[in-house]
Amino acid sequence: SYVLTQPPSVSVAPGQTARIPCGGHSIGSKSVHWYQQKPGQAPALVIYYDNDRPSGIPERFSGSNSGNTATLTISRVEVADEADYYCQVWDSSRDHQVFGTGTKVTVL
Amino acid sequence: QVQLVESGGGLVKPGGSLRLSCAASGFTFSDYYMSWIRQAPGKGLEWVSYISSSGSPIYYADSLKGRFTISRDNAKNSLYLQMNSLRAEDTAVYYCARECQGSHCSDYWGQGALVTVSS
Repeated sequence: SYVLTQPPSVSVAPGQTARIPCGGHSIGSKSVHWYQQKPGQAPALVIYYDNDRPSGIPERFSGSNSGNTATLTISRVEVADEADYYCQVWDSSRDHQVFGTGTKVTVL
Repeated sequence: QVQLVESGGGLVKPGGSLRLSCAASGFTFSDYYMSWIRQAPGKGLEWVSYISSSGSPIYYADSLKGRFTISRDNAKNSLYLQMNSLRAEDTAVYYCARECQGSHCSDYWGQGALVTVSS
């Protein structure tokens, strides 16, 4: 089965840039989506199709995808960005949706 | 505005059954694919099942092994998940989600329904 690997945690100071990698075999050939989940809340889509933002998502959120790694980048990090982040792809070989292991972003 | 409201969660004994419902509003339900996604306590997200706008095709996570059935009633703007032969490892918050049009992402989520499987 297709596996997406994320680091368990990333720490960043306010105003700095957070980069969250999502590793998967030839992930660059797939569309990657990213979700933010704050404690006690449902996940929310923050990036789709590798680097598109839903309405209402700040431009500080961006994505890239190439080779075996996709990356969610949060620029000018704010305390409100502290959350768990999950990457997700569609595994077309098995018609399954696959989520990454999740990364907890801590704003120091 | 788009709203998804799950109901039907609760405590059930191992081997028991439960049916979750998801009431949709604020969009044309029959135009969208829908999914169920779950999250065990303190764990990550796990995709459960997916149903097309018309009700076919339907896909399931391999781990469910035929125990769960997804369905929808477009006339009632509702999505369902019938869960049978429940196990302790099925304990989770179950989210109903609307699929993005043209892509396999989930653009709106419900608040979730907690299912606890315990004797």
